[in-house]
Amino acid sequence: QKEVEQNSGPLSVPEGAIASLNCTYSDRGSQSFFWYRQYSGKSPELIMSIYSNGDKEDGRFTAQLNKASQYVSLLIRDSQPSDSATYLCATSGGTSYGKLTFGQGTILTVHP
Amino acid sequence: DTAVSQTPKYLVTQMGNDKSIKCEQNLGHDTMYWYKQDSKKFLKIMFSYNNKELIINETVPNRFSPKSPDKAHLNLHINSLELGDSAVYFCASSPARGAGEQYFGPGTRLTVT
Repeated sequence: QKEVEQNSGPLSVPEGAIASLNCTYSDRGSQSFFWYRQYSGKSPELIMSIYSNGDKEDGRFTAQLNKASQYVSLLIRDSQPSDSATYLCATSGGTSYGKLTFGQGTILTVHP
Repeated sequence: DTAVSQTPKYLVTQMGNDKSIKCEQNLGHDTMYWYKQDSKKFLKIMFSYNNKELIINETVPNRFSPKSPDKAHLNLHINSLELGDSAVYFCASSPARGAGEQYFGPGTRLTVT
């Protein structure tokens, strides 16, 4: 079982729709959770972090965490073509103390 | 002002050669990392240094040797390159050890022929 799992996609949504990206993790000791965005040929950049159960909103982005279900999600409202990228879920803490463990990423395509 | 820079951006070399990749950060961060991203885009940590001290050394062949001359620089030397070493190598930094907010360099695409 992979430590951090994501559906590799591609996930295709129309412009203006809500894109929903999901991630599950296996280490119950994980304490911190992150979403990175990676455009093709570029480096990952942090877009959201979440540390406690519930929702965290930042502009068009909402991160959701459910530690009991070991589940993290990212919602992108009013999706734009510029949101087309690979979204990487990452965890730290537990057996991943001091480092990030990444999922394989979900490719998101937003079509006009 | 590039926060995390790497050189070279592209590296094409033959099997058996030795090569180095350099990384510098001007963010004043204490911790630096090397990651490998394979052809399937899976990003995996290789090494981490905190204030010039090696703190994470994942299961990486000992042909890979990191060096941190100071906390702003982290270099990666690879001996006896193999085809399987072909990947994109990213350097990253964070304000402190264990911080999930990491800043990545532009990457070095290594191709071994």
